[in-house]
Amino acid sequence: AQSVTQLDSHVSVSEGTPVLLRCNYSSSYSPSLFWYVQHPNKGLQLLLKYTSAATLVKGINGFEAEFKKSETSFHLTKPSAHMSDAAEYFCVVSEGRGSTLGRLYFGRGTQLTVWP
Amino acid sequence: SAVISQKPSRDICQRGTSLTIQCQVDSQVTMMFWYRQQPGQSLTLIATANQGSEATYESGFVIDKFPISRPNLTFSTLTVSNLSPEDSSIYLCSAQGGLNSNYGYTFGSGTRLTVV
Repeated sequence: AQSVTQLDSHVSVSEGTPVLLRCNYSSSYSPSLFWYVQHPNKGLQLLLKYTSAATLVKGINGFEAEFKKSETSFHLTKPSAHMSDAAEYFCVVSEGRGSTLGRLYFGRGTQLTVWP
Repeated sequence: SAVISQKPSRDICQRGTSLTIQCQVDSQVTMMFWYRQQPGQSLTLIATANQGSEATYESGFVIDKFPISRPNLTFSTLTVSNLSPEDSSIYLCSAQGGLNSNYGYTFGSGTRLTVV
């Protein structure tokens, strides 16, 4: 069975400092992994996805994540936070691969606050 | 990626009534899902909408309360029946698979339901 644990419910950083949002997953086989962002009163936007290609995945807005199978982790990072990064971030795992990803399993979310 | 039009974006309903939410995808997709996001919570899968057959519901969700239709590969509806204040949530549809999906998921912008 799949599950996702986002280790921090809230993360606060100053503008211009690095961002680290932590995610661990549990899967019975090699999963597909995603990070989504949700700004207030907005829909979910895909930041990046890992689907068995390079383990370091680059996404939009300067975010990237590294798939570490030995640690069952998929942490999201950004070198320098911007005020516009303040939002809710969800780590997500799917139960399938390739063209048939199946259902998604969402982490509880991490609220990122960026201070000026 | 596929684009989903979800309607309505928000509604305020009286208890005991029902609300039907529609999702229209701009291309044929293999799978469609319905999620609920309660205030301050992550997304919970309600059901997988199956084209031409009954939806597959997750534990804790039943057809009588959340009837779902999917008459074709581009459209689905979710009805939340016999509304109570506990149904106040954001409801989101999601689509995956198909020619325009790039094997990713697309989400509707959500329906914010308030039951009074």
